[in-house]
Amino acid sequence: DVKVTQSSRYLVKRTGEKVFLECVQDMDHENMFWYRQDPGLGLRLIYFSYDVKMKEKGDIPEGYSVSREKKERFSLILESASTNQTSMYLCASSFMGGYTEAFFGQGTRLTVV
Amino acid sequence: SQQGEEDPQALSIQEGENATMNCSYKTSINNLQWYRQNSGRGLVHLILIRSNEREKHSGRLRVTLDTSKKSSSLLITASRAADTASYFCATDVKKTSYDKVIFGPGTSLSVIP
Repeated sequence: DVKVTQSSRYLVKRTGEKVFLECVQDMDHENMFWYRQDPGLGLRLIYFSYDVKMKEKGDIPEGYSVSREKKERFSLILESASTNQTSMYLCASSFMGGYTEAFFGQGTRLTVV
Repeated sequence: SQQGEEDPQALSIQEGENATMNCSYKTSINNLQWYRQNSGRGLVHLILIRSNEREKHSGRLRVTLDTSKKSSSLLITASRAADTASYFCATDVKKTSYDKVIFGPGTSLSVIP
C-alpha cells in the first residue's frame, strides 16, 4: 500500500517560532504537495514539487517555504509562525501526468499560540 | 469563487437512502476526481473521471460528468453510517509544465442510523 507519512498529528508552537512539517512517501512519486485546510475553504495549495529540488508556488505561499532534497521527502517550513497559520496541514503525493490519484497523509493539526 | 464548488454544503440522510452531491467548475479540465475525508483525517481517493467520459461506477458510487455544463455529481446508493464524511471534488488545471489540482470546499454528509 502507498503510504504518505506526516511527522506529527498535532503540534503546538509559539508565535515567531520556526516550524518544520515533514512528509515522506514510499511510492517513488514525482509530485508532492502541501495543502492547508480551513473550514469552508476546502484545501488550498501552498506549494508543490514535481521533482527533487524543484518547487512551484501554489495559491497561498506567503509565510511558507519548502524543501525537497530527496525524492521521498517534502518539508514545509513556517519561517516565523503566526496565529493565522493555525490550521490543518495535509501532504499529498502522486505520479506525474495528472491522470492519477493523489495519496494523502493523515494531516498535521498545527496550533500557533 | 473557486474552480470547483460542491453543493450542498451539508447533507443529512437516513441510512439506506441515496445521497447526491454536485460539483461545478469554471475552466476546462482534463479530469475530475472525488475524495472522501473522515473527521480529522487525510483524504482518500474515491474515483477519477476523465473529460471524455460521461459516467463511471465503483461499488455503490456513481459519478457523472457533464462538460457542457461544467458539472459533476457523486451518487452514493444505499448509504451507511460509515459513509458519514466530507466529500470533495478536485479538478485539474493544466499548466505548461505540470497539472495543478484544485479542491472545492466540500460537502459534509451525515448518515443517520
